[in-house]
Amino acid sequence: AQSVAQPEDQVNVAEGNPLTVKCTYSVSGNPYLFWYVQYPNRGLQFLLKYITGDNLVKGSYGFEAEFNKSQTSFHLKKPSALVSDSALYFCAVRDIGDTGGFKTIFGAGTRLFVKA
Amino acid sequence: DSGVTQTPKHLITATGQRVTLRCSPRSGDLSVYWYQQSLDQGLQFLIQYYNGEERAKGNILERFSAQQFPDLHSELNLSSLELGDSALYFCASSAGGNLGEAFFGQGTRLTVV
Repeated sequence: AQSVAQPEDQVNVAEGNPLTVKCTYSVSGNPYLFWYVQYPNRGLQFLLKYITGDNLVKGSYGFEAEFNKSQTSFHLKKPSALVSDSALYFCAVRDIGDTGGFKTIFGAGTRLFVKA
Repeated sequence: DSGVTQTPKHLITATGQRVTLRCSPRSGDLSVYWYQQSLDQGLQFLIQYYNGEERAKGNILERFSAQQFPDLHSELNLSSLELGDSALYFCASSAGGNLGEAFFGQGTRLTVV
């Protein structure tokens, strides 16, 4: 089964500094990887995805992610953090169910705090 | 606004009771997914429906069931509720292809007392 791991429960960064939220994956076959963000009392919002092609994927709100096959990683990055980026970030992988359906498997989440 | 509507937003009920959570997917989306989010278990995939048919199953308890209706809205039924079922329940929808992102509703917060 496919899985993702987010090794950090929490990441702290100062506003204006670059941020990285880490994710590693374990898949059989081609990985279909996603990042989502969850703000307090809200549902998850899609940020970006990697399907194939360029290893650097650009997404919403200035975020990007780098796919690294040799390190089985898909880290989320932003060059300059904003206080409003403070939220819960989920890495996810698409898996195929027993009857051919698709399910997205989420990591445990990483809470990002950006300090002014 | 994701376009996915979940009702009710909050639900408080007693142990042993049964509740129904409702989800209206984005217009045109054929796939509906249900997730449970709790502090100790994180975000757990429960079940997926595609155009009315069950397509994938995750960690869904036997006390829980779901269905998707011809108009594509979905309902998640939770019965014989226990304190541990207290959680946020999210519905998400996607166009149906395996490469598409999912769009999440704002969730139903279930509290079992």
